[in-house]
Amino acid sequence: ELKVEQNPLFLSMQEGKNYTIYCNYSTTSDRLYWYRQDPGKSLESLFVLLSNGAVKQEGRLMASLDTKARLSTLHITAAVHDLSATYFCAVVYPPGTYKYIFGTGTRLKVLA
Amino acid sequence: DSGVTQTPKHLITATGQRVTLRCSPRSGDLSVYWYQQSLDQGLQFLIQYYNGEERAKGNILERFSAQQFPDLHSELNLSSLELGDSALYFCASSPTQEYNEQFFGPGTRLTVL
Repeated sequence: ELKVEQNPLFLSMQEGKNYTIYCNYSTTSDRLYWYRQDPGKSLESLFVLLSNGAVKQEGRLMASLDTKARLSTLHITAAVHDLSATYFCAVVYPPGTYKYIFGTGTRLKVLA
Repeated sequence: DSGVTQTPKHLITATGQRVTLRCSPRSGDLSVYWYQQSLDQGLQFLIQYYNGEERAKGNILERFSAQQFPDLHSELNLSSLELGDSALYFCASSPTQEYNEQFFGPGTRLTVL
């Protein structure tokens, strides 16, 4: 069965710093999603990565997908307090289905 | 506001009971997804419907069932409730059944006492 692991699970960082969240999955999948969840709120879609080598950027966040390494990264540039949230990745597995397996989530806290 | 609505926001019930959660997708979206979020299990995909038909089934218990109606709203029925069913239940929608961005509703918090 597919396992989706995120690291770190918790991340406390200073404003203005850069950092990367990693999403590893244990078997073949070529579709990957990133979501953001604020405390007590619902999920918000950030990125949909649909092919190997896909890179997407929105503001201070950039996501990439390497299907051969079974790895996606979410890079944060010059963090600001408003980015404090929990970030989830999710993959489609088995490939070609519409089943979604979520990672454990990374709780990010950006300190002023 | 994603445009996806869910009712009720909160639901408190007893073990052994049955409840129905309702979801209205964004206008024009044909796909509806149900998810469960709990501290123990994290985020779990339950089931997907597309234009009234079941398309994918995840970790949905046999005590749970869902359907999507002709007007595209969806209902998730949870029966013989157990304490462990206490969770946040999210509905999401997307335009098609392809691998689109999903828009999540605000969720229904279910507490089973």
